[in-house]
Amino acid sequence: AQSVTQLGSHVSVSEGALVLLRCNYSSSVPPYLFWYVQYPNQGLQLLLKYTSAATLVKGINGFEAEFKKSETSFHLTKPSAHMSDAAEYFCAVSEETSYDKVIFGPGTSLSVIP
Amino acid sequence: DGGITQSPKYLFRKEGQNVTLSCEQNLNHDAMYWYRQDPGQGLRLIYYSQIVNDFQKGDIAEGYSVSREKKESFPLTVTSAQKNPTAFYLCASGMPLLAGPVNEQFFGPGTRLTVL
Repeated sequence: AQSVTQLGSHVSVSEGALVLLRCNYSSSVPPYLFWYVQYPNQGLQLLLKYTSAATLVKGINGFEAEFKKSETSFHLTKPSAHMSDAAEYFCAVSEETSYDKVIFGPGTSLSVIP
Repeated sequence: DGGITQSPKYLFRKEGQNVTLSCEQNLNHDAMYWYRQDPGQGLRLIYYSQIVNDFQKGDIAEGYSVSREKKESFPLTVTSAQKNPTAFYLCASGMPLLAGPVNEQFFGPGTRLTVL
């Protein structure tokens, strides 16, 4: 079955350190991939999306992600963490049989230590 | 301001009562979605609608019902048949990406439902 895995339900980084949030997916067709961020008690906000153009995708707030087909990965990175980056992050992949839907990963909670 | 509104933000109901969550969008999107989010879990799709007067069940539709009489509105009713309704409910609308057939989804602020 199609799935999205996010390694590490919780990640802690120091302020100013590199942020790396991992996402692996399974799909038998070329995927469309998304990263969303959620702050407490709020909805989800799109950070960036991969739509089969450039493999390195730049998003908002200094985040970027690289699509690696051979590794079926779409990891999210940011060179220098800021306190305001503390939130829940979700990776999502388009569903194989219905492009109207996406499948969400379980999420990774990011903490930033001052 | 264009966007998606959900009301109320917090909702409390007694067990056995039906409750309806509101979702309105003024983005002129055809597609709309309802998700359920539980602590430590990702989003699970309840229902979705690609066009007015049409909707499909998602992965966890049992105990829920929806209607789509207007493009702007997609209310969700949590019925007494839903065994564990306490959760955070998120509504989204979707528009096709310019680069492909996939919908990019835009989310509302959510409604936290607590059943006592």
